Amino acid sequence: DAMVIQNPRYQVTQFGKPVTLSCSQTLNHNVMYWYQQKSSQAPKLLFHYYDKDFNNEADTPDNFQSRRPNTSFCFLDIRSPGLGDAAMYLCATSRGGLAGAFTDTQYFGPGTRLTVL
Amino acid sequence: GQQLNQSPQSMFIQEGEDVSMNCTSSSIFNTWLWYKQDPGEGPVLLIALYKAGELTSNGRLTAQFGTTRKDSFLNISASIPSDVGIYFCAGQLVGSGGSNYKLTFGKGTLLTVNP
Repeated sequence: DAMVIQNPRYQVTQFGKPVTLSCSQTLNHNVMYWYQQKSSQAPKLLFHYYDKDFNNEADTPDNFQSRRPNTSFCFLDIRSPGLGDAAMYLCATSRGGLAGAFTDTQYFGPGTRLTVL
Repeated sequence: GQQLNQSPQSMFIQEGEDVSMNCTSSSIFNTWLWYKQDPGEGPVLLIALYKAGELTSNGRLTAQFGTTRKDSFLNISASIPSDVGIYFCAGQLVGSGGSNYKLTFGKGTLLTVNP
């Protein structure tokens, strides 16, 4: 009964070869997030979707793109991976801040470990 | 970006001991979250706190939302080997508009439990 699913769990790509990571959720949440986490560091937000509205973080490199074709799925595309992009990529979801709501807890998937050769 | 001050950075304890870790911030939050991350896995939500002064338990875990809304602590009682992992605190200011959904993370506390 996994709620946030990430595939694959491990991904190896070559320097400069485009790669796509996928995330799906069974929670019917409005918001989906992508984080990058490097060793011994906290997760760093790359961008998020509220429904179909895309919100990019100011310091996210252009090399990182995202697609959300429907409520359940969200993809992270790395157009030209560099060695510095090797990391754990985490997908998270939340219901979304409804009017007057004061809670919007995020739930994380198991992550995809990306290796760049 | 902004980070929380989480301490200690690491802890080495014996099985059965109690553990305490905390997070402090220079700004207020209206939500505090505690996550645990095992090696090679994503963070798992342990406890969510939504009200200043709130004290919440989840089994052997107890967390409190500080009354100033700038701090939170997590206690683990009678630690066991499977408590090993990295514990992250995260603050959130829901309802503020703009960065409504952002989590501000602490740097994590690495817990090692010796059997």
